[in-house]
Amino acid sequence: EVQLEESGGGLVKPGGSLTLSCAASGFTLNKDWMSWVRQAPGKGLECVGRIKSELHGGATAYGAPVEGRFTILRDDSKNTLYLQMNSLKTEDTAVYYCATMRGRGPEGHFDYWGRGTLVTVSS
Amino acid sequence: EIVLTQSPATLSLSPGDRATLSCRASQSVSSYLAWYQQKPGQAPRLLIYDASSRATGIPARFSGSGSGTDFTLTISSLEPEDFAVYYCQQRSNWLTFGGGTKVEIK
Repeated sequence: EVQLEESGGGLVKPGGSLTLSCAASGFTLNKDWMSWVRQAPGKGLECVGRIKSELHGGATAYGAPVEGRFTILRDDSKNTLYLQMNSLKTEDTAVYYCATMRGRGPEGHFDYWGRGTLVTVSS
Repeated sequence: EIVLTQSPATLSLSPGDRATLSCRASQSVSSYLAWYQQKPGQAPRLLIYDASSRATGIPARFSGSGSGTDFTLTISSLEPEDFAVYYCQQRSNWLTFGGGTKVEIK
């Protein structure tokens, strides 16, 4: 059974940094495309970024609001995905979900999701 | 960036009613469109991918149609557990979501 469990959320000041983790079980993380999707309180969904499988070169891509500030990493030995977040802004406040991606074509749809972890950026 | 516009924002219906949700893309996304259901305090759940394919375990009352710029999610007969927020998502050019349609009990 595929399971994803996020951790690492919390309260951080504007300009600060935080790293989120997503522990995967039931599958091998580097064989799948993975993503981080966030949801600000009471708002809709936004894809933060994604990382391709090792077979597809492991390339990352990010949404414009976080480009240059966020980095997606993968530790194959721990079967864990990370989201490094730097220069945090108040508008980064959201629940952050990790999700697996599927589909042939340019990108993927999100089929399995974790329960999310809340990041609050506030002074 | 491809913008997805969902309508209506809110749909007030009764159990047993048919629900028709719309998603319009600012440019063609071919059939690279998915639908998700989200209940309060929960992660989204994939319902439909590639415009019309049901995800694993999704009941047959959920169906998707469309291609290009206009898409529809239909729930043939609403069950009590179907009252939720629904999002569409395209994967043709990056990854963007619509603003959501809330299906509420009338």
